[in-house]
Amino acid sequence: DGGITQSPKYLFRKEGQNVTLSCEQNLNHDAMYWYRQDPGQGLRLIYYSQIVNDFQKGDIAEGYSVSREKKESFPLTVTSAQKNPTAFYLCASTGAGGGSYNEQFFGPGTRLTVL
Amino acid sequence: AQRVTQPEKLLSVFKGAPVELKCNYSYSGSPELFWYVQYSRQRLQLLLRHISRESIKGFTADLNKGETSFHLKKPFAQEEDSAMYYCALRGSGNTGKLIFGQGTTLQVKP
Repeated sequence: DGGITQSPKYLFRKEGQNVTLSCEQNLNHDAMYWYRQDPGQGLRLIYYSQIVNDFQKGDIAEGYSVSREKKESFPLTVTSAQKNPTAFYLCASTGAGGGSYNEQFFGPGTRLTVL
Repeated sequence: AQRVTQPEKLLSVFKGAPVELKCNYSYSGSPELFWYVQYSRQRLQLLLRHISRESIKGFTADLNKGETSFHLKKPFAQEEDSAMYYCALRGSGNTGKLIFGQGTTLQVKP
């Protein structure tokens, strides 16, 4: 089952700790995205990257950071500044820089729980 | 503002009944709209997009610009249709960003 992989599947964090969620894709896609999924709120965009070494904030970037050093990888760090980090995190990617008509492919997700 | 609204959190129907999952959007310009589906224990996946005017698994969705709607319909629901459905709008600019609705859980009872 290639495509997009996320690890770990479940992650537990103590308050005050930073944690990093991994997202890797072997689809040769240029654009990658991080969404947060909360019940009743749908998916909300955290960060996105259209090309290596470049990324932009989404709608709820506060308390999160990303890097895009390689085309295949787009890790998300949830910092201690994120007030309510317990959620399901989804990574996605799309080809050709995210242009029209390109489908977004999603990873299986990481469930983060703050203890 | 660009926004997608799915007014129903839960839609429960019996097998064989018609289904309509509602989606309304707010967007200035020509919208690009999608329906994504998440079955239990599976990843989120594209169901259909308005540009293709296709029918997937018996589902169709027509873009109504006058009513700013993109409702998902199926004439006869099946138990395997039970899932979470998200309507999504591709945002302006060439970024590929998607704006999602809140999602509707479809429950098809036997």
